[in-house]
Amino acid sequence: ETGVTQSPTHLIKTRGQQVTLRCSSQSGHNTVSWYQQALGQGPQFIFQYYREEENGRGNFPPRFSGLQFPNYSSELNVNALELDDSALYLCASTRPGQNTEAFFGQGTRLTVV
Amino acid sequence: QQQVKQSPQSLIVQKGGIPIINCAYENTAFDYFPWYQQFPGKGPALLIAIRPDVSEKKEGRFTISFNKSAKQFSLHIMDSQPGDSATYFCAATPSGTYKYIFGTGTRLKVLA
Repeated sequence: ETGVTQSPTHLIKTRGQQVTLRCSSQSGHNTVSWYQQALGQGPQFIFQYYREEENGRGNFPPRFSGLQFPNYSSELNVNALELDDSALYLCASTRPGQNTEAFFGQGTRLTVV
Repeated sequence: QQQVKQSPQSLIVQKGGIPIINCAYENTAFDYFPWYQQFPGKGPALLIAIRPDVSEKKEGRFTISFNKSAKQFSLHIMDSQPGDSATYFCAATPSGTYKYIFGTGTRLKVLA
C-alpha cells in the first residue's frame, strides 16, 4: 500500500504568479483534504474533495482552488500569489467509510518572493 | 469561532520523563480528537486518537486522557526517548464534517 505523495517537495514563486501543487492519495482512499501550515503554526484546513467535488472549505479566499480526479488524486491551485502564501502545503487522504483518520503527505514547501 | 488551544508551546524533559501536553476546546460539537507527531521536513503522522465517549486510551507509550465536562484532553508520553523529540499537534473534528482543527503545536525535546 503506497502512502500519500506530494509534488513538488519545494517550490519558489514570485508574487502575483500562479502555482499548482499535486497530491496522490493513499491507495483505496477517496477523500482528499488540503491544509496550509505556516512556520511554527498548526495546519489550517483549506478544503476537502470527495468524489471529484469540493466537500467543505475553510477560511481561504477564492484564489485557492482545487480539483480531484477519477483516480482520487488532487491538485491545489493558488492564483495571484502573495508573500503570506509562503508555507508548507499538506495533503491528507482518508478511507471510504472512515472519514476521520487522515494520512498526511510530506508536504510541498512553497516560498513566495 | 471553533478553536483548539494547546499548551505548552515548548517542553524539555530528560530521557525517561513523562511529558504532558494539554489541549482545550470550546465547541461541544467535536466528536474525534487525534494527536499527530511531526518531524522537521515531514508531514504529520497520526499517533493516537480518542472519541468523547472514552475517558482514556493507551497505545504503547502514548496515553490520551479526555475530560468531556472540562472540554480538555491531554497526551502523556511514558518513558520518553530522544527519538520522541518532535512537534506534537492535537486536533478536533467538528461533528458532521471531515476537517481537522489543529492546535498550535508543542515542540518537545527529550534530552539523552
